[in-house]
Amino acid sequence: GAGVSQSPSNKVTEKGKDVELRCDPISGHTALYWYRQSLGQGLEFLIYFQGNSAPDKSGLPSDRFSAERTGGSVSTLTIQRTQQEDSAVYLCASSPPGGAPTDTQYFGPGTRLTVL
Amino acid sequence: AQSVTQLGSHVSVSEGALVLLRCNYSSSVPPYLFWYVQYPNQGLQLLLKYTSAATLVKGINGFEAEFKKSETSFHLTKPSAHMSDAAEYFCAVIPSGSARQLTFGSGTQLTVLP
Repeated sequence: GAGVSQSPSNKVTEKGKDVELRCDPISGHTALYWYRQSLGQGLEFLIYFQGNSAPDKSGLPSDRFSAERTGGSVSTLTIQRTQQEDSAVYLCASSPPGGAPTDTQYFGPGTRLTVL
Repeated sequence: AQSVTQLGSHVSVSEGALVLLRCNYSSSVPPYLFWYVQYPNQGLQLLLKYTSAATLVKGINGFEAEFKKSETSFHLTKPSAHMSDAAEYFCAVIPSGSARQLTFGSGTQLTVLP
C-alpha cells in the first residue's frame, strides 16, 4: 500500500517568508509525528498528534512553528518568518492505531527546506 | 532526559566482514529501543525494535541487536556485510511512560569496502 507522502520534496525560500509543508500519513494511521533533520542538530522531534487528543508540541523550537492536522489525516507544518537556521529536512511519520510506544513509526521521504 | 549515544560517527568494513554499530542508552529504567536505517535521499526505515519481549532481536536484512541491561547497550550487528548495507544507521529510544516520540542518536555512517 501507499506509504507516508510529503510535499513538496524540495522548497527554497527567502528569509522572512512563510512556508507550509504537507504530510499525508498512511491511511488508517491515527498517530502522526513531525521531526527535522539538520547537520547541526541531528534528528529531533517537533510535534505529535494522536487521534483527537491535544497535540504534544513540546519539540517545537519557537512560536514561529505550528502544525495542524485536519480531519485526523493530512497535516501541515507551518514555519513563519523563516530563518536560515530553519534549513533542514522535515520528516513526517505515522503509526497505526493502538497508541503503544512500540508501534512502528513509518517515515516519509521528507521535505528539504532551504532558507536563503 | 532520556538519550542514546552512538559511538563512532563513521564505520568502515570490508564486504563479508562483521558489522558492529554501537548504541548505549542513559536510563535506569530500560526504555524501548529502535534501530533505523536511512539510505541516501530516502526516509528512515525501521530495522528492528526492542519491546522487552526478548533480549535478542532479529530484524530485516540480516541485522540483529542484543539488549544488555547491565551494559545499557543495544548494539546492532550483521555477520556479513553487503555493499547494499552502506547507509546511515540511527539508534533511537522511547522512554517507558507516556512519551511516544523517538529520541535519536547522532547516527553512524556505514561504508562497505569491496
